Amino acid sequence: EIVLTQSPGTLSLSPGERATLSCRASQSVSSSYLAWYQQQKPGQAPRLLIYGASSRATGIPDRFSGSGSGTDFTLTISRLEPEDFAVYYCQQYGSSPYTFGQGTKLEIK
Amino acid sequence: EVQLVESGGGLVKPGGSLRLSCAASGFSFSNAWMSWVRQAPGKGLEWVGRIKSKTDGGTTDYAAPVKGRFTISRDDSKNTLYLQMNSLKTEDTAVYYCMSSGYWGQGSLVTVSS
Repeated sequence: EIVLTQSPGTLSLSPGERATLSCRASQSVSSSYLAWYQQQKPGQAPRLLIYGASSRATGIPDRFSGSGSGTDFTLTISRLEPEDFAVYYCQQYGSSPYTFGQGTKLEIK
Repeated sequence: EVQLVESGGGLVKPGGSLRLSCAASGFSFSNAWMSWVRQAPGKGLEWVGRIKSKTDGGTTDYAAPVKGRFTISRDDSKNTLYLQMNSLKTEDTAVYYCMSSGYWGQGSLVTVSS
């Protein structure tokens, strides 16, 4: 099983600042099958931001970008908007079980 | 428009069973690989399992905590995904989501309590 470790656990930033979220895998993620999700509130359906490590999903603003390969992946939000403060999860879907990271909470400083 | 609508959640006693359904529309369900994901109260997302399309073999995979107790199936004639949950434990209490290719349903709450 591939374990995904996200860091930091909590990130405190101000609107307009740049956010960098990390997702590290315990072994190489097959074909960069790595996705990032945003969840505004627990119990609310997550929203797909990035798939294939770097492709933006439909309708996602270009301030969101994904990068990385192998075992190290990054989600960058170039200029934080008020609606970006949420919890972010990475997920690998290259090999079963399709594991999630534990999440990074992005909060307003 | 892609829609995934879960149903069947509720309160069940430990050791009991429950079946969730997920009605899909707006995409080619029969060609889709479908997954179930859950979220316990105050916790993160946990992948439960996946079923491939029949053309890709229709096979299933499960997370270790549910293997042997949960079964995923599909009825392509009804565009519906199922999650049969047996021998339920209190730690199975969660909101259960069906998802595919980044699309998610709204979730169905399952509470396991005596």
